[in-house]
Amino acid sequence: GAGVSQSPRYKVTKRGQDVALRCDPISGHVSLYWYRQALGQGPEFLTYFNYEAQQDKSGLPNDRFSAERPEGSISTLTIQRTEQRDSAMYRCASSPGRRESDTQYFGPGTRLTVL
Amino acid sequence: LAKTTQPISMDSYEGQEVNITCSHNNIATNDYITWYQQFPSQGPRFIIQGYKTKVTNEVASLFIPADRKSSTLSLPRVSLSDTAVYYCLVGVLYSGSARQLTFGSGTQLTVLP
Repeated sequence: GAGVSQSPRYKVTKRGQDVALRCDPISGHVSLYWYRQALGQGPEFLTYFNYEAQQDKSGLPNDRFSAERPEGSISTLTIQRTEQRDSAMYRCASSPGRRESDTQYFGPGTRLTVL
Repeated sequence: LAKTTQPISMDSYEGQEVNITCSHNNIATNDYITWYQQFPSQGPRFIIQGYKTKVTNEVASLFIPADRKSSTLSLPRVSLSDTAVYYCLVGVLYSGSARQLTFGSGTQLTVLP
């Protein structure tokens, strides 16, 4: 079956613009996670959902970052008024269960570059 | 947020056993310890998971001491295709009882012929 997909794969934007990153999880997966990964570093947790409910958003850096998963499937991570420091690889993962310890299946990521 | 630390890099030769340790002093009580493998330009891929003592699957073993403040991933008889970055993932306590999923700093394993 299809894995986790993310779009766009690459996004270049100018400072101050808003961007929306999309994640399409594996069909039927309950949980969905967003991470940010800088070059040469491990993924940094941003937020996660069980179905449509946002369970933990403690990793979102500030109020310019938000995420939603309105129907419990596709999720969108939105960054408002982008800044150069937002440049990174944004990764989405999904897992079949509700527990955060369940195996996560990662998508290919969206490379965001803010000029 | 307390760090989850790993050696930056390790080199090994084909056929050898490799052990990579992750230190997680502030691991949450009920959290599992999970290890992932990441190749360049790809997302992390699950290797193994455990809660305590020892877990073994077809590709690796995971050793967890009683205090759970560290864990060791063991890769038997590595091959060139095992060259990758390896991460541990745990729930880390901070600010009292709050916890957050935290990846380790990652270990670049290079397998030499």
